[in-house]
Amino acid sequence: ETGVTQSPTHLIKTRGQQVTLRCSSQSGHNTVSWYQQALGQGPQFIFQYYREEENGRGNFPPRFSGLQFPNYSSELNVNALELDDSALYLCASSLAGSLKETQYFGPGTRLLVL
Amino acid sequence: AQSVTQLDSQVPVFEEAPVELRCNYSSSVSVYLFWYVQYPNQGLQLLLKYLSGSTLVESINGFEAEFNKSQTSFHLRKPSVHISDTAEYFCAVTFQGAQKLVFGQGTRLTINP
Repeated sequence: ETGVTQSPTHLIKTRGQQVTLRCSSQSGHNTVSWYQQALGQGPQFIFQYYREEENGRGNFPPRFSGLQFPNYSSELNVNALELDDSALYLCASSLAGSLKETQYFGPGTRLLVL
Repeated sequence: AQSVTQLDSQVPVFEEAPVELRCNYSSSVSVYLFWYVQYPNQGLQLLLKYLSGSTLVESINGFEAEFNKSQTSFHLRKPSVHISDTAEYFCAVTFQGAQKLVFGQGTRLTINP
């Protein structure tokens, strides 16, 4: 069984640029959620995708957008990067779109915005 | 508003001593409860979870947590810690009807020899 994988592991961008982060869900899972973890804080929910549709969104601006593909992998896109976007971005996968199902996390992508 | 509070940001203990990491939540609806562990420079790993049934849940590495509905708590305990338990521990909750996990701020557990 393959776990959740994310790429890249680290990324450095400058303010105003755009970034795309990628996530492959665990085998058999059909739901992907994205979280932002700023330094010294707990993860914050960005959004969730279930069967290629957005299935819930946290308090993040529209410049944070996502996609889910037929194989259930997912992308997180952030436009017009700001310094405060520097964080660890975590992807989690689960089955069936219900939060009663456990979310399993990937290792994260660490983004630094200069 | 629904929220999760981890009362201690840092907990230093000596090796082989017992430890309790505290977690309280606020919600007017049913909840599911989780503890995740994050080792340095890594993602989150599920430690244990409460979905229903017995209020005492255990992990494979000796941790346990007890769901207390009247006190809205889900404290994590281990009777004897090891150096390898040094990590950040996050309590997380899902609320009925929501799509997201709500996390506490985390507790950094430091084990001293």
